[in-house]
Amino acid sequence: EVQLVESGGRLVQPGGSLRLSCAASGFAYSGYSMHWVRQAPGKGLEWISYISSSSSTIYYADSVKGRFTISRDNAKNSLYLQMNSLRAEDTAVYYCVRDDFWDGYIWFDPWGQGTLVTVSS
Amino acid sequence: DIQMSQSPSALSASVGDRVIITCRAGHSIGSSLNWYQQKAGKAPKLLIYGASSLQTGVPSRFSGSGSGTDFTLTINSLQPEDFATYYCQQGYNSPYTFGQGTKLEIK
Repeated sequence: EVQLVESGGRLVQPGGSLRLSCAASGFAYSGYSMHWVRQAPGKGLEWISYISSSSSTIYYADSVKGRFTISRDNAKNSLYLQMNSLRAEDTAVYYCVRDDFWDGYIWFDPWGQGTLVTVSS
Repeated sequence: DIQMSQSPSALSASVGDRVIITCRAGHSIGSSLNWYQQKAGKAPKLLIYGASSLQTGVPSRFSGSGSGTDFTLTINSLQPEDFATYYCQQGYNSPYTFGQGTKLEIK
């Protein structure tokens, strides 16, 4: 079974740092690009970062650029999100998502269960 | 960035109804349009990719159509388990933007 399991979310003070992890299983992780998507409480979905299978290509949303860093360890089947200079508006459930593709189209499937990050003093 | 807008934002319907949700892209994205379903407290689930391809395991009452800038998600014969929030997303380029969501509620 394809599975993504996030961890690392917790309460953190504004200006603080946090590292999220995502453990992948059930598929050839090193062959897939990955994303992080977040959802603030009661709000919609916001894509925040992408990393290619070899880590050669990385993208960020403007809202997190310069503060967040995506990385992966293919030997450990793991994806990471280092979050620095956290703000109240970063409070959200963070989802780890696999990038799937065919014939030039990409889509997100599956999604992890999410991990909650709360930024508050 | 490609802006994605959905309509309506909320919709009330009854079991057995047919509902249509629309999604519009800020500029042409070909057929790079995906639909997701999210139930309360759960992660989103892929329904449709490439504008009209049904993900494995998704019931055939769900269908998608459109290309360019205008897309639709149709749900035929609504079932109780279909009441959820639906999001469109463009897979054309980064940032991979989502629509604001359509909450489908029981009438």
